[in-house]
Amino acid sequence: DVKVTQSSRYLVKRTGEKVFLECVQDMDHENMFWYRQDPGLGLRLIYFSYDVKMKEKGDIPEGYSVSREKKERFSLILESASTNQTSMYLCASSFLGTFGNQPQHFGDGTRLSIL
Amino acid sequence: AQSVTQLDSQVPVFEEAPVELRCNYSSSVSVYLFWYVQYPNQGLQLLLKYLSGSTLVKGINGFEAEFNKSQTSFHLRKPSVHISDTAEYFCAVSDGDYKLSFGAGTTVTVRA
Repeated sequence: DVKVTQSSRYLVKRTGEKVFLECVQDMDHENMFWYRQDPGLGLRLIYFSYDVKMKEKGDIPEGYSVSREKKERFSLILESASTNQTSMYLCASSFLGTFGNQPQHFGDGTRLSIL
Repeated sequence: AQSVTQLDSQVPVFEEAPVELRCNYSSSVSVYLFWYVQYPNQGLQLLLKYLSGSTLVKGINGFEAEFNKSQTSFHLRKPSVHISDTAEYFCAVSDGDYKLSFGAGTTVTVRA
């Protein structure tokens, strides 16, 4: 079974802090994704990466950055945390496939609270 | 990018009754369609997917979905639900990009 592991289930940080969320997958997937999930809004894509050191902005990249130094690891960085970044963050991965025909596999999420 | 509409935000249903969750998307170009389920305090798990071929797709846990290209819909059904089906369900669409567009989700609450 595919395993996508997010380093923390719950995290509490203060405004202005630099926050790192880590994600590791064990299936040699090329693609990795970071989403945030808010009630009534579904999942919104923050960033995705299709290869090591490659990244593309998603729908809501403002206030976030990412790092992918190794194929299995994809990090989300909140440069200066703000209260409106309090949310559930989900990491996902998938094979490259053919133009989006591969399902994404999700981690259990990190519930981040910014005080 | 696709726009995905899940027509019901909350669906209460009694145990052993059927359930249908409705999903419409915005474009009639070739798409790949997915339904995911999220149990409390967990990530999303794939229920089923439509890539091509038969418009009736069977998934895990007794769920099935029907792809209707003319109506740009991909409704999810289960003939008899269990308490354990209580969860949030998400419809997702890819129009040939690596990215998925998700609906806002439908919360299914199964009552005894």
